[in-house]
Amino acid sequence: GAGVSQTPSNKVTEKGKYVELRCDPISGHTALYWYRQSLGQGPEFLIYFQGTGAADDSGLPNDRFFAVRPEGSVSTLKIQRTERGDSAVYLCASSSGAPPGTQYFGPGTRLTVL
Amino acid sequence: GIQVEQSPPDLILQEGANSTLRCNFSDSVNNLQWFHQNPWGQLINLFYIPSGTKQNGRLSATTVATERYSLLYISSSQTTDSGVYFCATAPGTSGSRLTFGEGTQLTVNP
Repeated sequence: GAGVSQTPSNKVTEKGKYVELRCDPISGHTALYWYRQSLGQGPEFLIYFQGTGAADDSGLPNDRFFAVRPEGSVSTLKIQRTERGDSAVYLCASSSGAPPGTQYFGPGTRLTVL
Repeated sequence: GIQVEQSPPDLILQEGANSTLRCNFSDSVNNLQWFHQNPWGQLINLFYIPSGTKQNGRLSATTVATERYSLLYISSSQTTDSGVYFCATAPGTSGSRLTFGEGTQLTVNP
């Protein structure tokens, strides 16, 4: 595709439920990143993949958050036992090759936990 | 971790005015990007500029890596320039995780 795509664009769930957020990076980009943006703040790093492996997951806030990228392309961010504090916009970015390099962002998934 | 500070936090301009946005960072970097976040939340790449000067139309940016700051210049501003401008950097030890500033909220009035 022309850019990074994310689905769904909006997700409303109830406290305690499980959610999956999907990211489709720019074709051929080997690096993929997840960030989270709360209202009125800049995005915060969650996890970085180089190929299929998580090269840096130090930004994941706790063990309820997990991400996979099994074939080195599409990635899924999984959140278990959602809490109201998880409500935010979840952004995905990709870049070609190894860092550093320009990261291109998708439109985000707005997650609302009721 | 690296600290990123942006100024001013808010800026209101009349259409046609020029402006300068500043980004200070606390450590050496090998990745610095400027983004414009539009009202729909999309982060749009403006510049990848860990050092030096670049220009793209009415926008230009300069990063002085040795003094740990970057400037974004907007000339002849238009209402469509409104939105939040973010600076994001990654430290020289790791080019992966971007650390974002708090952003500058720009409003351009007609």
